[in-house]
Amino acid sequence: QLQLQESGPGLVRPSETLSLTCTVSGGSISSSGYDWGWIRQPPGKGLEWIGCIFHSGTTYYSPSLKSRVTISADTSKNQLSLKVNSVTAADAALYYCVRRPVGYGADVWGQGTTVTV
Amino acid sequence: DIQMTQSPSTLSASVGDRVTITCRAGQSISTWLAWYQQKPGKAPKLLIYKASSLESGVPSRFSGSGSGTEFTLTISSLQPDDFATYYCQQYNSFSEGFSFGPGTKVDIK
Repeated sequence: QLQLQESGPGLVRPSETLSLTCTVSGGSISSSGYDWGWIRQPPGKGLEWIGCIFHSGTTYYSPSLKSRVTISADTSKNQLSLKVNSVTAADAALYYCVRRPVGYGADVWGQGTTVTV
Repeated sequence: DIQMTQSPSTLSASVGDRVTITCRAGQSISTWLAWYQQKPGKAPKLLIYKASSLESGVPSRFSGSGSGTEFTLTISSLQPDDFATYYCQQYNSFSEGFSFGPGTKVDIK
């Protein structure tokens, strides 16, 4: 069964870089037909799509975050990573790693990891 | 970004009620729309994709419809397990991002 597990520092200082890792088990991020992405949820608020990466390495980002975000994948470790530069209080959120079959919704979610700024 | 709206923002209903939530997109997204259910402290769960396709394992009381800019999620007979927040998400264009609606909270009347 596919499982996603987010990890990373729970506390980041303003203006610094937020770095998170998502470890995938029970499946390969190299599989075609899926994108692997990040979604966040500020405390008490709604969901925000951050971006995604394909097995080819092609990435797509939210236009509102594009200038500060990088998503990458390490196929040897079966991990994705997320970096958000120049964080502010507005970046404090629960960050989810997700799998999305192309043409579908996100069908597998990690449990999420909380980041405080 | 494609702007997504949902109505109502909160809905009070009773077990057995038929419930309808509306999601509107700022531009046409064909049928590239998903619906999710989220309960407190839990990750969202995919219910519907491609506007009207039921995700495997999701009860048949959930249904979705719509195309273009207007979509609905219907729960035919609300069950105690259905009290939650529901989000729509468009996935029409990678370059414009896959934005979410603000959510609709379904609570007990």
